[in-house]
Amino acid sequence: NAGVTQTPKFQVLKTGQSMTLQCAQDMNHEYMSWYRQDPGMGLRLIHYSVGAGITDQGEVPNGYNVSRSTTEDFPLRLLSAAPSQTSVYFCASRLSGSGGETQYFGPGTRLLVL
Amino acid sequence: GDSVTQMEGPVTLSEEAFLTINCTYTATGYPSLFWYVQYPGEGLQLLLKATKADDKGSNKGFEATYRKETTSFHLEKGSVQVSDSAVYFCALSDRGGGADGLTFGKGTHLIIQP
Repeated sequence: NAGVTQTPKFQVLKTGQSMTLQCAQDMNHEYMSWYRQDPGMGLRLIHYSVGAGITDQGEVPNGYNVSRSTTEDFPLRLLSAAPSQTSVYFCASRLSGSGGETQYFGPGTRLLVL
Repeated sequence: GDSVTQMEGPVTLSEEAFLTINCTYTATGYPSLFWYVQYPGEGLQLLLKATKADDKGSNKGFEATYRKETTSFHLEKGSVQVSDSAVYFCALSDRGGGADGLTFGKGTHLIIQP
């Protein structure tokens, strides 16, 4: 199993540009999520999905869109990038259940918005 | 809402010293508690977890006990090594509170000197 994979590893955007951060998992996990990591802030939940066709907002959803057409993939879209979206983005997945399940994280995408 | 508070670093120790990283939480339901570790340039890895009160999670010499009476989940290790240098995150999952995803503390940067 490759686990959770993310592409690209690093990206530089100009303000106003759009891009999609890719996330895929091969563990047949129902639950997938996106976090952003900022210095001194820990990780904050952006969006999550409990299964194909179902998504919901997390703590900091503004400026981001998601979709979940398959169990394996959960892309994160920035429609019009802003400097405030400069961050490291992590995708994670886990089995559904009572809440004690381990989340598996991808290696991250480092995004710089100029 | 849910929150996690952990001591902020950097915490600098000598090799073979005893480690404690404090973590306390606030949750509306009955959370599961986690410690994740992030090595430089990598994603987060689960270090240990506990899903109910008085459970002790342990892994790689690290331990943490779920203390409901003090709402704490302090991380301890008896003798740290240089290879333990990393950022440690305390987190909770409170499905009973209606939320989803993990709520993270801000992270503690641990530096172990030879």
